[in-house]
Amino acid sequence: EAGVAQSPRYKIIEKRQSVAFWCNPISGHATLYWYQQILGQGPKLLIQFQNNGVVDDSQLPKDRFSAERLKGVDSTLKIQPAKLEDSAVYLCASSLSWGEAFFGQGTRLTVV
Amino acid sequence: KQEVTQIPAALSVPEGENLVLNCSFTDSAIYNLQWFRQDPGKGLTSLLLIQSSQREQTSGRLNASLDKSSGRSTLYIAASQPGDSATYLCAVRFGDMRFGAGTRLTVKP
Repeated sequence: EAGVAQSPRYKIIEKRQSVAFWCNPISGHATLYWYQQILGQGPKLLIQFQNNGVVDDSQLPKDRFSAERLKGVDSTLKIQPAKLEDSAVYLCASSLSWGEAFFGQGTRLTVV
Repeated sequence: KQEVTQIPAALSVPEGENLVLNCSFTDSAIYNLQWFRQDPGKGLTSLLLIQSSQREQTSGRLNASLDKSSGRSTLYIAASQPGDSATYLCAVRFGDMRFGAGTRLTVKP
């Protein structure tokens, strides 16, 4: 079965610019997660979707970050405007509700 | 607040040793716990998933245990190999899924 697809793999932007990441989960997976992983740390949950509804976005900096899940399938995560501290790897994962979670390769963002 | 802690942060062992990685969590009301491996610059690879009703899971040289009452899980790696060198992450599903900071393992030939 195809895994979780993320694009782009790498992105370099200047501070105050905007950026968007895309995630295509495993077919049929109702739950989709976006995580931020700063170098040397464990992933931090930004937002969790169940189908196209938000389950948890308590750690999403809503003044600059937004996310949506179209028709309960693909998802995009946007940052506008970006700050230097947003430099990190952004990971997308999906699962069958409470089942095993599978991760994409991630998008490495560098803000200069 | 639901927190996940992993000890030690780093571990270096000679090839062939058996080793144990630890994960602790603050809330025993969990749905499941999942162990991942992360190689440098890569995404996360799922190793084992333990449901809240289970005590342990095994896959090859890996064995993971779960003790909900004490808020602990261990990942046992038998006969370690240099290819096992990676960061091992524990994720606990409370409702959302939260990670520890990981244990960076180095297995020396």
